[in-house]
Amino acid sequence: DSGVTQTPKHLITATGQRVTLRCSPRSGDLSVYWYQQSLDQGLQFLIQYYNGEERAKGNILERFSAQQFPDLHSELNLSSLELGDSALYFCASSVAPVSEDRRIFGPGTRLTVL
Amino acid sequence: KNQVEQSPQSLIILEGKNCTLQCNYTVSPFSNLRWYKQDTGRGPVSLTIMTFSENTKSNGRYTATLDADTKQSSLHITASQLSDSASYICVVSPPPAGTASKLTFGTGTRLQVTL
Repeated sequence: DSGVTQTPKHLITATGQRVTLRCSPRSGDLSVYWYQQSLDQGLQFLIQYYNGEERAKGNILERFSAQQFPDLHSELNLSSLELGDSALYFCASSVAPVSEDRRIFGPGTRLTVL
Repeated sequence: KNQVEQSPQSLIILEGKNCTLQCNYTVSPFSNLRWYKQDTGRGPVSLTIMTFSENTKSNGRYTATLDADTKQSSLHITASQLSDSASYICVVSPPPAGTASKLTFGTGTRLQVTL
């Protein structure tokens, strides 16, 4: 158990729908990162939050959005889902916004869009 | 474009044997390089991290080497175990260290250890 929790573990939905993925960082960590991993693809950085504020943005589609709440948990919202959005979505956390050594990954949410 | 290429894509070895995974990168300038182990359906777990000035770093049966001149890194696994079956991902970061948006991930080498 890494200390980073993600829910749900699995999600199956249809094209055009909207889903919300949730992440709770490890206790004491202020920064949350979201990654997408498609089949046979490398991890793609989506977005980072630090203490409630957006810190860095990667290859995140306009259909996707995220936020970090005062209790530091984060949600990734995916809307107008397409078949190509099917992937593993990982959340990671760290103490500081650029703390490489402390980036701990959660177990992931597997999203299947039918 | 900064890239990280890993080879082989997949590898099958017998339990107890050694193996070496390769990572070539074009990221420049370069701050640090990390190897992750990712079990199927799980999140990646960090194995080693090396700065540009380090040549080798060990973590138990895992030893990573780095040649910053040729922009190559390798991960050597000694006396493999069934539990080593996983994907191994090379991640390169340009300065400033740890900038989330700048990390470049390789697509990984999928290792299967068999009896």
